[in-house]
Amino acid sequence: GAGVSQSPSNKVTEKGKDVELRCDPISGHTALYWYRQSLGQGLEFLIYFQGNSAPDKSGLPSDRFSAERTGGSVSTLTIQRTQQEDSAVYLCASSLRSAGLKETQYFGPGTRLLVL
Amino acid sequence: GQQLNQSPQSMFIQEGEDVSMNCTSSSIFNTWLWYKQDPGEGPVLLIALYKAGELTSNGRLTAQFGITRKDSFLNISASIPSDVGIYFCAGQKGAGGTSYGKLTFGQGTILTVHP
Repeated sequence: GAGVSQSPSNKVTEKGKDVELRCDPISGHTALYWYRQSLGQGLEFLIYFQGNSAPDKSGLPSDRFSAERTGGSVSTLTIQRTQQEDSAVYLCASSLRSAGLKETQYFGPGTRLLVL
Repeated sequence: GQQLNQSPQSMFIQEGEDVSMNCTSSSIFNTWLWYKQDPGEGPVLLIALYKAGELTSNGRLTAQFGITRKDSFLNISASIPSDVGIYFCAGQKGAGGTSYGKLTFGQGTILTVHP
């Protein structure tokens, strides 16, 4: 389909290992967001990219978290030295910034990360 | 990080009943949004509200943007089994009158509909 895709859908890792989560946004969407959803909680903003502008990293919980977006399309969220509290669903969203003033963020299905 | 205060946390209703949920914030948002999330899926936008006092409907769903810009509610009329899921409110601050940028979410309302 033409929606936002994320991989892997599930990831189990051991404490201390690094993980990479991938997001493929909707083709042509210029804005890309990462959110984290802990069990029973709402979504928590992590980082967002808009075109060639510097990303807004204000939601990253620690310096173990980083993200990049290559070629204005695919994005990778990296968590280094994972901790058990990193276990959550990581959701990616993309949107089209048009000449108008409004956007709709379309979400992917998420990556469920479990740190043992 | 900041989250919106959403209530109730869960609701158990009979098919055909109406449902109401709301969200409040200590700060102002320029846009209020309501999403629904099904198990194993990402949230899907139901209704977007862009002006204080705005009342918007989408089928059986009605939502309002509070006049103070610090609250919003969502009503679902004549509930059906497929309404089951988690409903989230979200606020967007934007800048200069725009409605772009990161979303701040409520904790969610889990809706169960008994046939």
